[in-house]
Amino acid sequence: AQKVTQAQTEISVVEKEDVTLDCVYETRDTTYYLFWYKQPPSGELVFLIRRNSFDEQNEISGRYSWNFQKSTSSFNFTITASQVVDSAVYFCALSDVGKLIFGQGTELSVKP
Amino acid sequence: DTEVTQTPKHLVMGMTNKKSLKCEQHMGHRAMYWYKQKAKKPPELMFVYSYEKLSINESVPSRFSPECPNSSLLNLHLHALQPEDSALYLCASSQAGLAGGSGNEQFFGPGTRLTVL
Repeated sequence: AQKVTQAQTEISVVEKEDVTLDCVYETRDTTYYLFWYKQPPSGELVFLIRRNSFDEQNEISGRYSWNFQKSTSSFNFTITASQVVDSAVYFCALSDVGKLIFGQGTELSVKP
Repeated sequence: DTEVTQTPKHLVMGMTNKKSLKCEQHMGHRAMYWYKQKAKKPPELMFVYSYEKLSINESVPSRFSPECPNSSLLNLHLHALQPEDSALYLCASSQAGLAGGSGNEQFFGPGTRLTVL
């Protein structure tokens, strides 16, 4: 079955701390895509990254980095030097024939 | 133009009302989606249109009726809703239709917060 698990429901950190959001997925497909989205309090889901199953290179974009490991079926997201503006709910998602299978989300609170 | 717009932003309706939600994108995307999101939960897929044809209906009750008048517009017609239908309704679009595979990221609009009294 296709499934995404984000075991951390809520995380609270103080500004400038590094924080890692965990994502574990299950899929029967050999070709698949993984995504991370950010949902700030305003409600809009903001696309952050897409990764396909053939590309295990880690990716860095500014303070954001992603670690994709097929061996452990994980696609973790790290925010370095967190800021208050990073406060949001973050969803990891797996594609399935045009659908997105979302994890339950991790609510990140960054306190000043 | 790289955004998905949704109107209205907020909507309050009674159980006997008929209303419509509107979604628009001008990115030339060929797939459009409706999601429903309850508080503290992930979005749940409702409908997918691919090349203006309804491709996926996730067993949504008939009181929700989608419509895709053209490749840029997506409507969701609401009739005889129940209080439990109160939620954030999100529209999204992606570049390729469903036949193009699963790899396209979906771009979301800001949503319509619906309250059914």
